[in-house]
Amino acid sequence: AQSVAQPEDQVNVAEGNPLTVKCTYSVSGNPYLFWYVQYPNRGLQFLLKYITGDNLVKGSYGFEAEFNKSQTSFHLKKPSALVSDSALYFCAVRDKGRDDKIIFGKGTRLHILP
Amino acid sequence: DSGVTQTPKHLITATGQRVTLRCSPRSGDLSVYWYQQSLDQGLQFLIQYYNGEERAKGNILERFSAQQFPDLHSELNLSSLELGDSALYFCASSTRTAGNTIYFGEGSWLTVV
Repeated sequence: AQSVAQPEDQVNVAEGNPLTVKCTYSVSGNPYLFWYVQYPNRGLQFLLKYITGDNLVKGSYGFEAEFNKSQTSFHLKKPSALVSDSALYFCAVRDKGRDDKIIFGKGTRLHILP
Repeated sequence: DSGVTQTPKHLITATGQRVTLRCSPRSGDLSVYWYQQSLDQGLQFLIQYYNGEERAKGNILERFSAQQFPDLHSELNLSSLELGDSALYFCASSTRTAGNTIYFGEGSWLTVV
């Protein structure tokens, strides 16, 4: 069965600094990988996804993520953090060729300090 | 706006009662997913339907059931409610293509008192 781990419950970053939110996954086949962001009292918003091809994926709001097959990781990154990036971030995985379940990690709360 | 519509936005009900949450997917999307978000359990996958048929099942309790209708809207029925069922219930939808992104509604807040 597929699974996703976000090892950090919370990440604190100073505004203007680079940020990384970590995600590792486990699937039996090849993965589809996703990042979503959730602002308070809102639904999840899609940021980016990895399907195939280039390991570096660019998404919304200046975010990007790097797929690393050997480390089974898909870390979310941004070169320069904004206070408005403070939110809850979810990594998700779907196993290609299996059923349609998309499994989410527990989420990482990102605090950008002004 | 994701295009996924959920009603009601907020619901307060008593233990033992039954409620129905409704979801209208994005135009053209055939797949509907239901998730439960609670503080201690994170975002839990409940069930998925594709064009009216159940496709995948997650940690959905026997007290809960769902269906997708011919017009593609979906309903999640929660019965014999317990205090622990208080949570935010999300519906999401997607097209049926490889690597499909799922788009979430704003959720239905259920409070059981």
